Amino acid sequence: SQQGEEDPQALSIQEGENATMNCSYKTSINNLQWYRQNSGRGLVHLILIRSNEREKHSGRLRVTLDTSKKSSSLLITASRAADTASYFCATQSGGSYIPTFGRGTSLIVHP
Amino acid sequence: DAGVIQSPRHEVTEMGQEVTLRCKPISGHNSLFWYRQTMMRGLELLIYFNNNVPIDDSGMPEDRFSAKMPNASFSTLKIQPSEPRDSAVYFCASSSRDRETQYFGPGTRLLVL
Repeated sequence: SQQGEEDPQALSIQEGENATMNCSYKTSINNLQWYRQNSGRGLVHLILIRSNEREKHSGRLRVTLDTSKKSSSLLITASRAADTASYFCATQSGGSYIPTFGRGTSLIVHP
Repeated sequence: DAGVIQSPRHEVTEMGQEVTLRCKPISGHNSLFWYRQTMMRGLELLIYFNNNVPIDDSGMPEDRFSAKMPNASFSTLKIQPSEPRDSAVYFCASSSRDRETQYFGPGTRLLVL
């Protein structure tokens, strides 16, 4: 079963609005990563947050991590049509280097 | 620098035929992962190599699937014989020594008729 589960499964917003996606996981982690997948393409790494970090920024992306709730959120500010994609969270735990991916959130940004 | 390269990008074959998917990881990366993605099951890890050695193949569906990594710059995933339920997008990904960030190839879209 997936370690990470994204919520919502689908999100539709207008250009300029903010988009928030959440990821919940079950066991303790070393790090949590967010990836983006455009239609027909491979996944692209966006940002990594370690278990001892609470917040991280990269451009218009803001990621938070709450290890007590075993959850993370990805915020995309001032969204653009080009942000339309599926977004996946992935966790790495223990001594394993194998990431466990969630099912993804499908984001549509209308121009 | 070129990213992860996969070939072919699309493959259409008939049930029972052998299918070979190829991957060239990013130069200098020493971990390689094969994934399968379907609408029903999402992204599934099939096999993970580190320094050309298979470390975890627990995700390989059955004996019809085999993977090799003869050197640091090449890996293959073979399905023999192929079945319609193998239809999916197959991704190869590589990572460097930190084994954290994964770099994905564009994928091979396989359709087995």
